[in-house]
Order: sequence, then structure tokens, then C-alpha cells
Amino acid sequence: GIQVEQSPPDLILQEGANSTLRCNFSDSVNNLQWFHQNPWGQLINLFYIPSGTKQNGRLSATTVATERYSLLYISSSQTTDSGVYFCAVGPLDQAGTALIFGKGTTLSVSS
Amino acid sequence: GAVVSQHPSRVICKSGTSVKIECRSLDFQATTMFWYRQFPKQSLMLMATSNEGSKATYEQGVEKDKFLINHASLTLSTLTVTSAHPEDSSFYICSARQGRDTEAFFGQGTRLTVV
Repeated sequence: GIQVEQSPPDLILQEGANSTLRCNFSDSVNNLQWFHQNPWGQLINLFYIPSGTKQNGRLSATTVATERYSLLYISSSQTTDSGVYFCAVGPLDQAGTALIFGKGTTLSVSS
Repeated sequence: GAVVSQHPSRVICKSGTSVKIECRSLDFQATTMFWYRQFPKQSLMLMATSNEGSKATYEQGVEKDKFLINHASLTLSTLTVTSAHPEDSSFYICSARQGRDTEAFFGQGTRLTVV
């Protein structure tokens, strides 16, 4: 099955710093989403981005489907950005099936 | 975005009892819902795909007799953990989406503790 690799596994930042999280996937996809899991476990949808670039406030994401990777950018990080960020993909050859998750990047932002 | 509601958010049960978790799509119909399990500091692992009006499809290694899934309507899927044991303690999360290849939304999750 498709493999999803996220890097780095852990990231420690000072408030105000910028960061880039990466997601590599091993096969073609028709769905790619970024999530932030808050301390209570809720998955917050950040981006639905199977291709292209999107921005939402301090966050932006880019997916280069032909090269099988996606990047999540966090600018001017805040302590509330702390948590686990997951990338999840839907394989192209299995349309309509469940998302496959990477292992996540744990972000810690200190003031 | 679409709303998926999961209930209860937290449950503690005694070993040997059964627990039912509900997953509802509040503002859309979902012919397919998905159930995941997450252990502490790990990623989400797909347990099963719930199909409205038919049997669920379980991932390899998931015991279908222990994790009973019922998708009786287009807005409700339930996961029943039968004869629960401490090793079943985990965080269970459901997911649904409006269309075949559209954005997926997740419930709040249920933290199950078996004592």
C-alpha cells in the first residue's frame, strides 16, 4: 500500500519563528489533507490540497503531486500552534477509500 | 465545513462489558464512514470501513467479532467494542465525507478506558 512519510518527527520553535513540515508519499493520490490534532485529540482540518497551493492566515500549503510531496508552512508561530500535525492521503487507485495517515510531526512552540 | 459528531467523548467501562460509540454526520449524508484507532503518541490506524446498508470491511488484524460496526442510516454509524479488555483502551475516531473524493471530516474522538 501507499506509504506516507512526514518530517521532521519533532520540531521545537520559539514563538515568532517560521517552520516547514514535509509530507512524502509513495504513489499517486487524489486526496491529500493536513490536520492539526489538538491536546484533546480533535483533528482540525487545515487544508484539503491534492495539488496546488493554498493559504489560510499564517498557514499555507503546497502539494506537488507529480513529485509526490506536500509542504505545510507555519509563519510567525504561536504557542497555540503546538500539537501534532498529520498529513493524510487517499490513493488514486483506490478512490473513495479511507485516508492513510503519516506518523505526524510534533510541534512545540515556546514563548 | 461539514460536521461529524461522535459520542461519547470519554467512557470508562469494566472489563468484560460492551461499549457503543456513535458517529453522526450532522449536515450531510454519508454512505461510507471510517473508523480509526489511535494509541498514545502514535498515528491513526484504519480499523474498518462502514458501508450504509451492508457489512463493514475490516482491515487485516482487526477482529470483526470484537469491533461490531453498524451503519443503519446515511447519517449514523456505530462501533461496539464487545467484551472489552484493558488492551482495548484507546482513542477511537470516526470520519466521513460528502462525496467519493472530497474532503474528509472527523469526529471529536472517543477515549475508551477499560478497567
